[in-house]
Amino acid sequence: EDQVTQSPEALRLQEGESSSLNCSYTVSGLRGLFWYRQDPGKGPEFLFTLYSAGEEKEKERLKATLTKKESFLHITAPKPEDSATYLCAVRGNYGQNFVFGPGTRLSVLP
Amino acid sequence: EAGVAQSPRYKIIEKRQSVAFWCNPISGHATLYWYQQILGQGPKLLIQFQNNGVVDDSQLPKDRFSAERLKGVDSTLKIQPAKLEDSAVYLCASRKTGGMMGSNSPLHFGNGTRLTVT
Repeated sequence: EDQVTQSPEALRLQEGESSSLNCSYTVSGLRGLFWYRQDPGKGPEFLFTLYSAGEEKEKERLKATLTKKESFLHITAPKPEDSATYLCAVRGNYGQNFVFGPGTRLSVLP
Repeated sequence: EAGVAQSPRYKIIEKRQSVAFWCNPISGHATLYWYQQILGQGPKLLIQFQNNGVVDDSQLPKDRFSAERLKGVDSTLKIQPAKLEDSAVYLCASRKTGGMMGSNSPLHFGNGTRLTVT
């Protein structure tokens, strides 16, 4: 069974204080790992797809990386508007489903 | 491109009552998903449709939940009768399939319906 865990559960940063969020996964053949951002009262918003170990994707202050067992979402010099819950999901080769982790709640204080 | 539309945004019902949610996916997206998201948790799949056929409903509590996608476009999810533990946000997502990138295209979510069962 595909599984995803995320850490930390919650993270508070000062504006400009860089950090990383972790997504650990077990899957029967990785078809893709997906990062989403979710604001309160909204649906998850797609950020990145990673397909294979060693791959990296960047968008503004966010950079996602992938190994065979985990993915990291690096946040460089965050701003208060980066505050949100960040969700990680995997899709394996033998299933149609996207399995989500519980998310990391990020708060960036001015 | 219009996003995934869901209604209503909020619903409050008493236990044992029934409720229905509606979803209109992004135009051209053949695959539609309903997810349940309990506060503080990630979304959990309830049912997946490909056009108007069910692909996966293994996690749908079929004694009380039902869903349909009659014409391969809009979908409705119904709960009857509701229980207190059904309080959650119900998210609809759609996905483009087919073509070179279709097999690994991401989910696109609506803003969900927040259900409170009292």
